[in-house]
Formats: sequence, structure tokens, C-alpha cells
Amino acid sequence: EPEVTQTPSHQVTQMGQEVILRCVPISNHLYFYWYRQILGQKVEFLVSFYNNEISEKSEIFDDQFSVERPDGSNFTLKIRSTKLEDSAMYFCASSEARGDAMSPLHFGNGTRLTVT
Amino acid sequence: RKEVEQDPGPFNVPEGATVAFNCTYSNSASQSFFWYRQDCRKEPKLLMSVYSSGNEDGRFTAQLNRASQYISLLIRDSKLSDSATYLCVVSGAGSYQLTFGKGTKLSVIP
Repeated sequence: EPEVTQTPSHQVTQMGQEVILRCVPISNHLYFYWYRQILGQKVEFLVSFYNNEISEKSEIFDDQFSVERPDGSNFTLKIRSTKLEDSAMYFCASSEARGDAMSPLHFGNGTRLTVT
Repeated sequence: RKEVEQDPGPFNVPEGATVAFNCTYSNSASQSFFWYRQDCRKEPKLLMSVYSSGNEDGRFTAQLNRASQYISLLIRDSKLSDSATYLCVVSGAGSYQLTFGKGTKLSVIP
């Protein structure tokens, strides 16, 4: 079964450093997403991406965050200057169409980001 | 404010038991509904979509009550492998954004 893959599985960085989290969505999917989950809390939406542009973003997704699809397969999340509160599990997801009952989201296995 | 509320549990049940989880959502314009399961420190995995007429997938039955803004999940004949956190997930009208509940933790005991 096709799956969403994410690298690295764990990233440790110092406060103020830039990090790039990488994802390879399922190949025939058109919609891509980033979510995050702070330890012990709920999964939160960050951003959705379609047709090479952001389609929706949350309040969390401020100017420190950016997304890119640099080639035909990768989808990246960049955090420009990491803060301690950015420590979380970051999940990439993709869907065939807009995520709805007929086209649910498939999540990658996540990147655990630890900011020290 | 869009919210999805769930009983956090934990629910500790013996193997073979039937267990039910409830969820309420605040956005009456929500259009799509799901149950995901999440194992400890893993990604959410789709368990089932929830349709207006209710739907069943093996031992799992989901119900939706739009008037009450209420979703339920029933698990029959619980297995040890059902131990996980069950996430109620809702999407808004015309929105790409999924809103997750905090989840209900289930432990199935031998």
C-alpha cells in the first residue's frame, strides 16, 4: 500500500536555527498538508497546499514557517528560526482530493522535532 | 471557535467487551467526519469515515447525528490490538482544515 514518508524521524536543533522537514506524499495525491502535535496535546492543522500554492493556513503558521514543493515528489516544511515551543511531532499528510469523506488524509509517520 | 470534544478516558475494558466513544463538535457547518486511531507516538491512521446514515466496518460502527452535532464509535468484541487512542476528526465547510479531538484512550485488557 502506498504511503507518505517523512525524514528525518527525529531532528534535534538549537533555538534560533533553521530546520527543514521533508515529506514524500503518495504519488497520485494532489493535496498536501502539515500538522503538528505537541506531546500530550491534540493534532493541530498548520497548512494545506494545492497546485503549488498554500490553500489554507492556521494561526500557528506564522512568518517563521514556509512550505515548498521543490520538485515533483518532495514537500518540505521550513522553520526559519526555531523556538522552544516549536518542539513537537510534525506530520505530513496527503489526499487525492480535498480531504473529505471520499478522500481522507493519509499521514506520514512523523518527524519529532526537539528544540533545545 | 471550532472545537471537537471527546471524553479523554482512559477506557479499560476486557477482551470481548463492547465499548462506545462519543464526540461532539461545535461547527454546525462541518461536512466530513472521521475516526482515526493513534498508537503511542505514532501517526494518526484512518479507521473509518462517518456517513450521515451511519456505517459499519466489521466490528466498528460509526453514527452521526447532525442535529445534535454528535458522533459515536462502537467497537464490538474488543481485541488487544484495539488498544490505542481514538481521535474524532471533523472538517469544515469549504475548508481544507481538519479539526482533531484530543482523543479517547482505550486499553483492552486480557
